[in-house]
Amino acid sequence: TQLLEQSPQFLSIQEGENLTVYCNSSSVFSSLQWYRQEPGEGPVLLVTVVTGGEVKKLKRLTFQFGDARKDSSLHITAAQPGDTGLYLCAGASFQGAQKLVFGQGTRLTINP
Amino acid sequence: NAGVMQNPRHLVRRRGQEARLRCSPMKGHSHVYWYRQLPEEGLKFMVYLQKENIIDESGMPKERFSAEFPKEGPSILRIQQVVRGDSAAYFCASSPGYGNTIYFGEGSWLTVV
Repeated sequence: TQLLEQSPQFLSIQEGENLTVYCNSSSVFSSLQWYRQEPGEGPVLLVTVVTGGEVKKLKRLTFQFGDARKDSSLHITAAQPGDTGLYLCAGASFQGAQKLVFGQGTRLTINP
Repeated sequence: NAGVMQNPRHLVRRRGQEARLRCSPMKGHSHVYWYRQLPEEGLKFMVYLQKENIIDESGMPKERFSAEFPKEGPSILRIQQVVRGDSAAYFCASSPGYGNTIYFGEGSWLTVV
């Protein structure tokens, strides 16, 4: 069974600080997605990383896929209160690309 | 999220009743997926359907749960004889084909009392 471990589960920091969220597995994934989920809503896709070592930037968010395609990180620079939310990573296997395996999420709070 | 429509958004059922959750995929999408999110847990895959076919139902509980995606109309996730443990958010997602990015709906929150 493939598992994705996200850390930390909860993170509360001050506005302007930097932070990194990690997503780790012993399994290899064909791709990895990062989602953001607001209370009472569905996950919204932020990015998909496909190639080992790939780095993608989305404004102040930087996403990296590990060289071995087993782990990923999300780094936020100069966090803002609007970044508050639940961040989920999800991996797609080679055997079933649509059967995403989700981490348990990181609940991020940015305090003004 | 835009385009994947789920209803009802909130549903309350008494133990033993049936729950039916509907999902209309984005325009042009013929692949539908159902995921379940239990309180304080991540999303778990339930079932993957194409029009009139179940492709992968490995995440579906063996009893009481069924899903369909008819030729016409929305996909339906049906839960018979609901129990308190079925209380969760059920998310539908769709994609235009296999291997494409999937897009989630806003979810249906089922509460069993």
